[in-house]
Amino acid sequence: KAGVTQTPRYLIKTRGQQVTLSCSPISGHRSVSWYQQTPGQGLQFLFEYFSETQRNKGNFPGRFSGRQFSNSRSEMNVSTLELGDSALYLCASSRGLSYGYTFGSGTRLTVV
Amino acid sequence: DQQVKQNSPSLSVQEGRISILNCDYTNSMFDYFLWYKKYPAEGPTFLISISSIKDKNEDGRFTVFLNKSAKHLSLHIVPSQPGDSAVYFCAATSQVAGAQKLVFGQGTRLTINP
Repeated sequence: KAGVTQTPRYLIKTRGQQVTLSCSPISGHRSVSWYQQTPGQGLQFLFEYFSETQRNKGNFPGRFSGRQFSNSRSEMNVSTLELGDSALYLCASSRGLSYGYTFGSGTRLTVV
Repeated sequence: DQQVKQNSPSLSVQEGRISILNCDYTNSMFDYFLWYKKYPAEGPTFLISISSIKDKNEDGRFTVFLNKSAKHLSLHIVPSQPGDSAVYFCAATSQVAGAQKLVFGQGTRLTINP
């Protein structure tokens, strides 16, 4: 059974650029969440999508956005990149809370 | 404002003994709790969860205890094995609020010594 797939695994971008990260959830999972992990702030919730609708959003600036497609695949976009956006971005999918959220291996974004 | 706290950044336990990882929370709205294990360069792996209507949940070597009055939960691993060496995160959410957002603690690095 395939897990949550995130692409690319590593990315280096320059300040001011924008970036798009992709997440393919486990087949049948309709909920997709995104998290940012940094050494200082830990794992922080970005947003969650279900059936192409954003149901919840964390405390991040509007430069961070996302979307979900009809096949449940999701993308997140960060515009006008800042050095502080360097982090591991994790995607998770779920078929229900009692089953937990299954995380992908993440995309390591470095902003220089 | 850290709503979920893991006050021990690290823990070292001898193989075969019990590992106890602790987590405290402040938000009374939290009613579902999860534990994750994370290896370097991988995403967190779900271990076990507990609803606030219970005070204990077991799954093999893993047991989670919840003390609602103290707003405290703990993860017990018995017996500890070398493969358990990883960073452990507790997370909390509110089913009333939709349960889409997990709030994570800062993590505890567990090292199992042979």
